[in-house]
Amino acid sequence: EVQLVESGGGLVQPGGSLRLSCAASGFSFNTYNMNWVRQAPGKGLDWVSYISSASTSIYYADSVRGRFTISRDNARTSLYLQMNSLRDEDTAVYYCARGLSRDRSGWYFDSWGQGTLVTVSS
Amino acid sequence: QSALTQPASVSGSPGQSITISCTGTSSDVGGDNYVSWYQQHPGKVPKLMLYDVSNRPSGVPDRFSGSKSGNTASLTISGLQAEDEADYYCSAHRTTPTLGGVFGGGTKVTVL
Repeated sequence: EVQLVESGGGLVQPGGSLRLSCAASGFSFNTYNMNWVRQAPGKGLDWVSYISSASTSIYYADSVRGRFTISRDNARTSLYLQMNSLRDEDTAVYYCARGLSRDRSGWYFDSWGQGTLVTVSS
Repeated sequence: QSALTQPASVSGSPGQSITISCTGTSSDVGGDNYVSWYQQHPGKVPKLMLYDVSNRPSGVPDRFSGSKSGNTASLTISGLQAEDEADYYCSAHRTTPTLGGVFGGGTKVTVL
């Protein structure tokens, strides 16, 4: 069974930093592309960032580029999101979402973690 | 990056069919067949319902179907059931101006 467990959320002041983690199990983590997707309270889904299975391709949403950094450690089967210069509008539940396996073409998220809440407020 | 356009709400009676549209541009919805749909019940995690426009993952009922024409994709729920009441989001792969993903604003489906 695929399991994705996020951690690292919490309350942070504007301008602060936070590092989110996602522990993966139940599948061959090193063969899957991974994503972060967020959802502000009462709002819709918002794609944040993508990283390919071997970290060779990385993409960001315009709203976070230059402030957030996605990374992964395949040996530890973990995904990370380093968030710097946080703003009020970054307040959201952040989901770790599995993408496609490296040998497939496409774009969708077939497994999601339970999410971790990030609150940016003074 | 603008979100894909979905109607805010759609409603129907049990047994009826409803369709949710998702309009983008030639850089996302119209650029390839990588459109997917997600169902989210209140307080729950999103669930993949369709991928590559019309493919259903294992376990998704066949009353959920998808199609695409030009820059608009659609999700149809046939034989609407009470448990289908939820928020639905479309998603696409965007190629310009930068590579990445994009979601629609979401559609609240109400079963009357």
